[in-house]
Amino acid sequence: KQEVTQIPAALSVPEGENLVLNCSFTDSAIYNLQWFRQDPGKGLTSLLLIQSSQREQTSGRLNASLDKSSGRSTLYIAASQPGDSATYLCAVTNTGNQFYFGTGTSLTVIP
Amino acid sequence: EAGVVQSPRYKIIEKKQPVAFWCNPISGHNTLYWYLQNLGQGPELLIRYENEEAVDDSQLPKDRFSAERLKGVDSTLKIQPAELGDSAVYLCASSLDSLSYEQYFGPGTRLTVT
Repeated sequence: KQEVTQIPAALSVPEGENLVLNCSFTDSAIYNLQWFRQDPGKGLTSLLLIQSSQREQTSGRLNASLDKSSGRSTLYIAASQPGDSATYLCAVTNTGNQFYFGTGTSLTVIP
Repeated sequence: EAGVVQSPRYKIIEKKQPVAFWCNPISGHNTLYWYLQNLGQGPELLIRYENEEAVDDSQLPKDRFSAERLKGVDSTLKIQPAELGDSAVYLCASSLDSLSYEQYFGPGTRLTVT
């Protein structure tokens, strides 16, 4: 069974700082990897989707990389803002369109 | 465009009582998912529907959980009887079809069993 791990579990940074969130998975036979954001009491919002053949995706201040062979992905957030405070989840998809989620990183950006 | 709608948003019940959650997916989305999210954990799939058919229910505890998706649109997830360990957030998501990896999530129903 696919196991997805996220480190750190929680992160607190001052506003303006660049930061990196990490995601690792045990089975490299994935179709894609997604990064989601979850705000308290709300559902998940997809941030970036990386296909297995891609190395990275960018959206605004977010950049996600994928190293499928080593089973790792990173989410880079540039110039962090208080509005970035949320829980960030990564999820990988294997055959059958099954999502495997990590446990998430809770990010707090301090004004 | 309306997103995935779930109700109720919060539910508090006593153990051994039944409870039901409702989900209305995005219009035109054929695939519907129910996830369970425990505190501090990522969502785990309970069941996936393709139209009216449950194509993956291997993680659904069938002794107490049941689900249906009549007419291939709205879906209901039921727990009977509820146990203390069922306290969690129940998320519904939908996607255009099974080939689409973009899932749209509802806000979830937070269940507390006392």
